[in-house]
Amino acid sequence: GAVVSQHPSRVICKSGTSVKIECRSLDFQATTMFWYRQFPKQSLMLMATSNEGSKATYEQGVEKDKFLINHASLTLSTLTVTSAHPEDSSFYICSAEQREGETQYFGPGTRLLVL
Amino acid sequence: GENVEQHPSTLSVQEGDSAVIKCTYSDSASNYFPWYKQELGKGPQLIIDIRSNVGEKKDQRIAVTLNKTAKHFSLHITETQPEDSAVYFCAATWNDMRFGAGTRLTVKP
Repeated sequence: GAVVSQHPSRVICKSGTSVKIECRSLDFQATTMFWYRQFPKQSLMLMATSNEGSKATYEQGVEKDKFLINHASLTLSTLTVTSAHPEDSSFYICSAEQREGETQYFGPGTRLLVL
Repeated sequence: GENVEQHPSTLSVQEGDSAVIKCTYSDSASNYFPWYKQELGKGPQLIIDIRSNVGEKKDQRIAVTLNKTAKHFSLHITETQPEDSAVYFCAATWNDMRFGAGTRLTVKP
């Protein structure tokens, strides 16, 4: 149990375009989903926390207008990188928790390359 | 906010030896401490966790110990195998989860 999927697994896009990444909890309902960014050989950096039906809470320094998060249901959250630039290239990982303060289960990640 | 420090940053052991990774945290209110294993190009996978009302937990070759007074917790892997090679992250949770910087474990056959 506790499987989280992400789609796509990797994406290459041109500078200036937008990219949407989906995160789904497959066998449980997630009260909260999280979006992380990870640079090579570094730890996970929390970008934002989203709860179903409400606005996401962004970490300091993360531009909410650039990284749009929609948490449409208890099993789906999306991250849209708008007007992507090469510096947005990174590994984006989502996670989901069933209850507050419980275990976070991570998706397999999405590698974004902006040319 | 919570600050989690993890040591060592890299660890190389011979197959069959034990590996120990240590983490300290700053917020005494933290009450949940998971450990994740991340293989190259993949998302972190939960391998074991412990709550603040427990001092030790074991699952086959993996064990975690927690010292709440000293605010540190450790991951112990016994009889290491090459497939244990990965990056391991500790985390501490109160209101939100904060991760350590990670330990790159290499198990040499």
